[in-house]
Amino acid sequence: SQQGEEDPQALSIQEGENATMNCSYKTSINNLQWYRQNSGRGLVHLILIRSNEREKHSGRLRVTLDTSKKSSSLLITASRAADTASYFCATDGYAGNMLTFGGGTRLMVKP
Amino acid sequence: DTGVSQDPRHKITKRGQNVTFRCDPISEHNRLYWYRQTLGQGPEFLTYFQNEAQLEKSRLLSDRFSAERPKGSFSTLEIQRTEQGDSAMYLCASSASGSRPEQYFGPGTRLTVT
Repeated sequence: SQQGEEDPQALSIQEGENATMNCSYKTSINNLQWYRQNSGRGLVHLILIRSNEREKHSGRLRVTLDTSKKSSSLLITASRAADTASYFCATDGYAGNMLTFGGGTRLMVKP
Repeated sequence: DTGVSQDPRHKITKRGQNVTFRCDPISEHNRLYWYRQTLGQGPEFLTYFQNEAQLEKSRLLSDRFSAERPKGSFSTLEIQRTEQGDSAMYLCASSASGSRPEQYFGPGTRLTVT
């Protein structure tokens, strides 16, 4: 079963705009990770945020985590056509760090 | 390229046949995971190894599925008596340890059962 839900399910923006995706989850977590997946391919790890962190940056990516609301957001600034992909959040809350994924946000960046 | 490789990349098989997939993790990673992803959905956890020990199995992993990691390096996932519902992308991931929980995924094996 899916732990979380991404919102929106689909997002279409123009190149240069910012894209914000949200993720909600249900149970306590150790870490939350964001992944990108291009059509029909494997997942690319973007960023990990630990449960005791509130915000993290990596290049054009900014991730926030609110454990009281059990939610996270991923902001991609100055989007490019190459950012077109599906984005998934994944949480782990067990010793083995097995990931539980949401259903993903499909982002389309129009040139 | 994340450093995790999977073979084959695509497999078409007839219902009732057995199939086996292989995953080679990043060499220094002692944790290895298998996930399954169907179209339009996020991946779902199947099973997890720490070194050669299989420590966790999802209830998604029916008796027809078996996974091994005999020497704590590469892993195989076998599906016996395949069914059309087994058609999916099978993804392998590896990570270093609990203190480095980032999981790196391979390109996946796409299975089509006809």
